[in-house]
Formats: sequence, C-alpha cells, structure tokens
Amino acid sequence: EVQLVQSGGGLVQPGGSLRLSCAGSGFTFSTYWMSWVRQAPGKGLEWVANIKPDGGEKYYVDSVKGRFTISRDNAKNSVFLQMSSLSVDDTAVYFCSRVQDSYFFDFWGQGTLVTVSS
Amino acid sequence: EIVLTQSPPTLSLSPGERATLSCRASQSVGQYLAWYQQKPGQAPRLLTYDASNRATGIPARFSGSGSGTDFTLTISSLEPEDFALYYCQQRGNWPLFTFGPGTKVDMK
Repeated sequence: EVQLVQSGGGLVQPGGSLRLSCAGSGFTFSTYWMSWVRQAPGKGLEWVANIKPDGGEKYYVDSVKGRFTISRDNAKNSVFLQMSSLSVDDTAVYFCSRVQDSYFFDFWGQGTLVTVSS
Repeated sequence: EIVLTQSPPTLSLSPGERATLSCRASQSVGQYLAWYQQKPGQAPRLLTYDASNRATGIPARFSGSGSGTDFTLTISSLEPEDFALYYCQQRGNWPLFTFGPGTKVDMK
C-alpha cells in the first residue's frame, strides 16, 4: 500500500524558517518525481515545488523561488521542503504528493499546517 | 502560462441528480488533464487523468471527457459522499503545474 506520511509544520514568526518532511512507503520511491502542494485557508490548491527522482532537477512556483528548497533522500525514502523568509502569505496546509506520468498526483500525504504569525 | 477556469463556482444539486463540471484551459493541454475531489480536512483524491481515465478505485459514476481546451467531469448520479470540492489540473507547463480554482458541489 502506497503511503506518504508527513511531519513538521507548526507556528512560526514572519521571517522564520521551517522544514517539512514526507516519508514514502509501499513503492519504489527513487523512481518517482515528488511534489509539494499547498492550500491557504479557504483557498484552492497551489503547486509549490517538484523534484526529479535523482534530485538533479528542481522547480518552484515563482512566489517561493529563492526562499523554499525542495530536496530528497532516496536512501530514507523521504522528500523535504525547507522554507525560509516565511511570510503570512505562506500560511497554508502543505501536502506532499507523488507525481505519476509526469503530471498528475496519484497519492497524497495527510497534510501539515504551517501558520506564519507574530 | 496556461490558466485553468472552472465553472460553475458552485453547483447546488440533490442526491441522484447528474452533475456536470467544466474546466477550460487558456490554451491547448492536449489530453493532459486530471480531476481531483477534496472533502473538508482531507487531502485531494485523484479521480481521473488523461482527460478520461478513471483512477484506481474510483466509481464508474465519475467520468471525464474533453481534449484541447475544454474538459468535463460528469457525476452521473450524485451520492451523498460526492458533495465536495472538485479541482482540475494540467501539465501544459511541464514541469510547472497549475490547478483550476475549483467547483463546489453542494446539496440543494
């Protein structure tokens, strides 16, 4: 059974940093692109970042470029999102997801809430 | 950048009725369109991909159609558990992804 289990998140002050983790199981993690998608309170879904199976390519939505870094550790079947210079606009539930066939998200983590507030 | 537009924003229907949700792309995305369902407090669930392929475990009452710029998700007969938010998503800007703004299907 494919599972994505997330950890991290919480309350952080504006300008602060936070690291999210997502551990995959039930599939060959090292062969899949992985993504982070977020959802601000009461809003729709926003794709945040992608990482290639070998970690050699990474892509970001413009609003997080230079502030967020996606990474992975295939030995630990995990993907991470390092977030820095956080602003109130980054407040959202963050989901990790597995990318299938180069574009759609077939499995999702449970989501973790990041609240940026003073 | 390819923009997705979903209509209507809200669809008010009764159980047993047919739901027709629309997703329009600002330029052609071929067949590369997926639909997701999301319930409050839950992660999205993949319903269909490549415009018309149902994901594993998705009931046959859900069907997707369309190509190019115009796509439709149809729920043939609404069950109580189908009242939720629905999002479309495309890969036209690979490796960048975008979602539509969503359609809420609520109970009349």
